[in-house]
Amino acid sequence: AQRVTQPEKLLSVFKGAPVELKCNYSYSGSPELFWYVQYSRQRLQLLLRHISRESIKGFTADLNKGETSFHLKKPFAQEEDSAMYYCALSGGYNKLIFGAGTRLAVHP
Amino acid sequence: GAVVSQHPSWVICKSGTSVKIECRSLDFQATTMFWYRQFPKQSLMLMATSNEGSKATYEQGVEKDKFLINHASLTLSTLTVTSAHPEDSSFYICSAEARGPYNEQFFGPGTRLTVL
Repeated sequence: AQRVTQPEKLLSVFKGAPVELKCNYSYSGSPELFWYVQYSRQRLQLLLRHISRESIKGFTADLNKGETSFHLKKPFAQEEDSAMYYCALSGGYNKLIFGAGTRLAVHP
Repeated sequence: GAVVSQHPSWVICKSGTSVKIECRSLDFQATTMFWYRQFPKQSLMLMATSNEGSKATYEQGVEKDKFLINHASLTLSTLTVTSAHPEDSSFYICSAEARGPYNEQFFGPGTRLTVL
């Protein structure tokens, strides 16, 4: 079965601390994985995708096929990073399967 | 660029009535749009794939006759919740697929439906 698991509902850190948002997936083929972010009262937007291997707003994510993980990392969290983060898997035909989401709260 | 709008942003209706939600790609054409449903404090769940000029493809467990989808043009898809009941109350979000190297999906702001 295709599934995305985000084990943490809430991650609370202080400004400047490292951040790692966990994501594990279950997929039988070659997955396409994404991280989406939703800031307060804003729409969902793409943060990064594993194919492009970009670093957006200081965030990176590496696809680990052995561990079936796609954790999102940032070395130094900023207050403006506070948002809801969703890991998603493309299950063919560009259909997205979303994880439950993790709320990141960065405190001053 | 790549802006997707939804109308209305919220709607309250009586049980038994039908509600239509519009999803528009404002500055690009989208042959494919997607409809998601999000319950409070839960994730987005794909309901259906809307294809311009053809029938929508529904996910398992989604009632086709309950959630009517029409994609009549390259910039507009509509979701009609027929004979709405309180359990249909939810946040409905659409996305539009922009053609490009990644066929990225751009999301609308969502429509909150409350059925009394």
